[in-house]
Amino acid sequence: NAGVTQTPKFRVLKTGQSMTLLCAQDMNHEYMYWYRQDPGMGLRLIHYSVGEGTTAKGEVPDGYNVSRLKKQNFLLGLESAAPSQTSVYFCASSFRQGGNQPQHFGDGTRLSIL
Amino acid sequence: QQQVKQSPQSLIVQKGGISIINCAYENTAFDYFPWYQQFPGKGPALLIAIRPDVSEKKEGRFTISFNKSAKQFSLHIMDSQPGDSATYFCAAGIQGAQKLVFGQGTRLTINP
Repeated sequence: NAGVTQTPKFRVLKTGQSMTLLCAQDMNHEYMYWYRQDPGMGLRLIHYSVGEGTTAKGEVPDGYNVSRLKKQNFLLGLESAAPSQTSVYFCASSFRQGGNQPQHFGDGTRLSIL
Repeated sequence: QQQVKQSPQSLIVQKGGISIINCAYENTAFDYFPWYQQFPGKGPALLIAIRPDVSEKKEGRFTISFNKSAKQFSLHIMDSQPGDSATYFCAAGIQGAQKLVFGQGTRLTINP
């Protein structure tokens, strides 16, 4: 039982390049989330999904897109990477609404934009 | 009103001491207050959570104290150990809502 798995673990991009971060969960959770973690800023929600085929914006969605074509996968895309997107990205999932349920996190993707 | 303010940003405690991290919120609709623990290179993991119908919850050396009237809650780590060195996040949520609001995090270091 792997829980929440994120790939890749590390990536260095040049400004303007694109990439996709993959999150996979094997807990049959309905809800999935993408956060970014920056020093002193805590965890900020980028986008989230309340079920297969649905997505919604969080508090810092600009510059990112997401897709949830399968229940177990949640993809985060950067179409044109910018240095301000250098961060650690975490995916999380929860069985039901995340507002009062435990969220299970992956181990993160460390992304540097040069 | 959706913010959760966490303090201090960093904390150094001697082994065996008590570590205390505080959080404050404004939205009185919040009804779920979890604490997450994050070790370097890992994702946050749920440590302990409380709902506002109780003023305190204890699990081993970890205790959440909740003050509804002051809109504050805190994490106490008794007999702090070097293995407790980590970043701690408080959060707040609402039943039926789709997301949590996280505090800024506290980096805790326990000196041996």
